[in-house]
Amino acid sequence: GAGVSQSPSNKVTEKGKDVELRCDPISGHTALYWYRQSLGQGLEFLIYFQGNSAPDKSGLPSDRFSAERTGGSVSTLTIQRTQQEDSAVYLCASSLVYEQFFGPGTRLTVL
Amino acid sequence: TQLLEQSPQFLSIQEGENLTVYCNSSSVFSSLQWYRQEPGEGPVLLVTVVTGGEVKKLKRLTFQFGDARKDSSLHITAAQPGDTGLYLCAGGRDDRGSTLGRLYFGRGTQLTVWP
Repeated sequence: GAGVSQSPSNKVTEKGKDVELRCDPISGHTALYWYRQSLGQGLEFLIYFQGNSAPDKSGLPSDRFSAERTGGSVSTLTIQRTQQEDSAVYLCASSLVYEQFFGPGTRLTVL
Repeated sequence: TQLLEQSPQFLSIQEGENLTVYCNSSSVFSSLQWYRQEPGEGPVLLVTVVTGGEVKKLKRLTFQFGDARKDSSLHITAAQPGDTGLYLCAGGRDDRGSTLGRLYFGRGTQLTVWP
């Protein structure tokens, strides 16, 4: 389809393990965002990529979190040494101008 | 710290009733967006307002951006069960006129409309 896709849709991991979450944005969209959503909470901004500019990493909660965007398209969010408080739905969005188009999210559960 | 406060957090009403959801902040935003999210899906944009005092209508939904660009409201007339969902407001602070940049989201209002 033409929308934003994310994989996996669900991920269960053990505390201390590393995880990688993938986002395929809409083709041609120059901006890509990662958010996370915990139960009962709104969306928490994590990181923002815009073209070839340096990413805005101001929302990353700790140095265990990192993200990259290869070739201006696909992005990977990596969480190292996962903790139980990392459990949440991780949402990716892409945009061209104002509207952000969201993927369905990856539900991460850390046991 | 939550820049945008939404109220109420939960709203349960009967079909045909009217409702208003509020989104307030002490900060000024260059734009304000409203999204609707259903379980298992990402949020979907309903509207973007960029001018203080702006009012936009989409069928039974009316959106207003405060004059000072610090608050917004969403009013639904004659609610229907299909309106059920999580309504999120989100503010942008990018004045460059190009890509919006990061959004500051409220915690959302969970609306349930009973038939």
